[in-house]
Amino acid sequence: AQRVTQPEKLLSVFKGAPVELKCNYSYSGSPELFWYVQYSRQRLQLLLRHISRESIKGFTADLNKGETSFHLKKPFAQEEDSAMYYCALIGRATSGSRLTFGEGTQLTVNP
Amino acid sequence: DTGVSQDPRHKITKRGQNVTFRCDPISEHNRLYWYRQTLGQGPEFLTYFQNEAQLEKSRLLSDRFSAERPKGSFSTLEIQRTEQGDSAMYLCASSPWGGLNTEAFFGQGTRLTVV
Repeated sequence: AQRVTQPEKLLSVFKGAPVELKCNYSYSGSPELFWYVQYSRQRLQLLLRHISRESIKGFTADLNKGETSFHLKKPFAQEEDSAMYYCALIGRATSGSRLTFGEGTQLTVNP
Repeated sequence: DTGVSQDPRHKITKRGQNVTFRCDPISEHNRLYWYRQTLGQGPEFLTYFQNEAQLEKSRLLSDRFSAERPKGSFSTLEIQRTEQGDSAMYLCASSPWGGLNTEAFFGQGTRLTVV
């Protein structure tokens, strides 16, 4: 079975502060990990994927296989980062690349 | 907007009625997914099509649910004899053929309320 856990439903920080959204997963093999984001009144969209090792909008995420974590980080949060963030995985044994999502973390960046 | 399109955006129905939702994927995408999202939860996988073939169905998809994708283009999701527990946001996503890292593009969803 595969599972994604986001322990914080709500996270509030001030503009300019560092932010870390936690994600832990359980999967017996080597999964592909993603962060999806949903801004207010917009559709769910991909933020970043671990395989790309990219930084999008200042966000990065490192896959830690030992801790089975894929935390999302940004050194200086901006008000426009306020959104719902979902961590998700695809198991290599999964057909069709279907996503397993965590419950999501609502990030609020205060001015 | 050339993204994934879902219709209707909102649907209110009485318990016991049948409802049908439509999803138009991005035209060149051969994979199409349906997810369901309830309040405070992340999206949960329901079913997946590759072209016109329905290749996987979740245990969440009871016998009252049926999905089709004729000709590998648009897809419909029908719920028969709706129950209050069916109230949720129904999301459609599509992706092109590719590896596990292929990005899924989501529609804006259909919000179903069963009264």
